[in-house]
Amino acid sequence: DADVTQTPRNRITKTGKRIMLECSQTKGHDRMYWYRQDPGLGLRLIYYSFDVKDINKGEISDGYSVSRQAQAKFSLSLESAIPNQTALYFCATSDLWQGAVNEQFFGPGTRLTVL
Amino acid sequence: GQQVMQIPQYQHVQEGEDFTTYCNSSTTLSNIQWYKQRPGGHPVFLIQLVKSGEVKKQKRLTFQFGEAKKNSSLHITATQTTDVGTYFCAGREGRTSYDKVIFGPGTSLSVIP
Repeated sequence: DADVTQTPRNRITKTGKRIMLECSQTKGHDRMYWYRQDPGLGLRLIYYSFDVKDINKGEISDGYSVSRQAQAKFSLSLESAIPNQTALYFCATSDLWQGAVNEQFFGPGTRLTVL
Repeated sequence: GQQVMQIPQYQHVQEGEDFTTYCNSSTTLSNIQWYKQRPGGHPVFLIQLVKSGEVKKQKRLTFQFGEAKKNSSLHITATQTTDVGTYFCAGREGRTSYDKVIFGPGTSLSVIP
């Protein structure tokens, strides 16, 4: 959805470099997520945030950190990139789940290559 | 911890044939969602199932949630080339607002015209 944007869309970097991926949303959702996608492994959760003051580790948080600068912004950092962090990264948002449908809205993705 | 599996990993069908993907969880789910990702695109929500034994239809797509709420399926009747993509299930285990969903690895569907 255009309501969830990610920058950059593509990035090639070298081992050891610090990288920041940014995500912005205009949906007004409190919840934001970072996933990585690898062939055959589906979407694996890196970090998630239920509001500006709440950040939680997902399945594969090692080597990553996040910052929730505002309700609308959630950044993912790789402090020292390594080749096995080469993947497609997605940001997603969702509304507060209160028994209703709480679909996740995904951004267009950032393709990161670490050489 | 909770694990969500999907089979098959890949499926190639002739246009007009039916297609089914199966999703299995290691634990009982409170609800399950299905997403579709077109090649080069991002996952897009299709549907959510909540009740035991629930069946929902969207045109040629039929979604089922198992009686034990540990499995689900997506069936496409008479596939078309527009059905090409990867289909993911995502299961939520808990019932609180702090429970996240776990995505399955997806089933990639190719449709041969």
